Amino acid sequence: EAGVTQFPSHSVIEKGQTVTLRCDPISGHDNLYWYRRVMGKEIKFLLHFVKESKQDESGMPNNRFLAERTGGTYSTLKVQPAELEDSGVYFCASSQTTGNYGYTFGSGTRLTVV
Amino acid sequence: QKEVEQNSGPLSVPEGAIASLNCTYSDRGSQSFFWYRQYSGKSPELIMSIYSNGDKEDGRFTAQLNKASQYVSLLIRDSQPSDSATYLCAVINTGRRALTFGSGTRLQVQP
Repeated sequence: EAGVTQFPSHSVIEKGQTVTLRCDPISGHDNLYWYRRVMGKEIKFLLHFVKESKQDESGMPNNRFLAERTGGTYSTLKVQPAELEDSGVYFCASSQTTGNYGYTFGSGTRLTVV
Repeated sequence: QKEVEQNSGPLSVPEGAIASLNCTYSDRGSQSFFWYRQYSGKSPELIMSIYSNGDKEDGRFTAQLNKASQYVSLLIRDSQPSDSATYLCAVINTGRRALTFGSGTRLQVQP
């Protein structure tokens, strides 16, 4: 079984530019989550999709962040325009609908805004 | 007060010893508790989940949960240098599916 796939693995952009991160969950996992870890802080929840619907987006920091999950498959997280404080590692995770809530995480995208 | 608190460490133990990692949480209604291991530069990897009071054992790992004290712990028996990593405690709070993480405890197992 393929795991959760994220790309790019690294991205360096200038302040004010736009970046789009992509996540491919494990096949059959309806739940998809985005998390972020900024330097020196704990991993923080951003949002949760169930299939194509946003179930909980309470962690999204501001309206510069836009997440989509077209057709309930892969998801994208766009940051526009990027600011210095957006730098960090963005993790995606997926889980099945029922049973074990222990998610499988992707390897993350390290975003650096300069 | 943070929702999930962990001592940042580092916790240093000799090879073969028992490593004890602790975590407290603030939401009394939390139902699901997890321990993740994260090697430097890698993604978190689930190693234990626990949902009811008491102990749960899996190989060298034992998770302990005490809901009355709002306390979760992870014991690693016969610690190996390969266990050296950051251990993250995570909780699912009442009415949500999102994980709330602690900041992690860095474990160092000395050969």
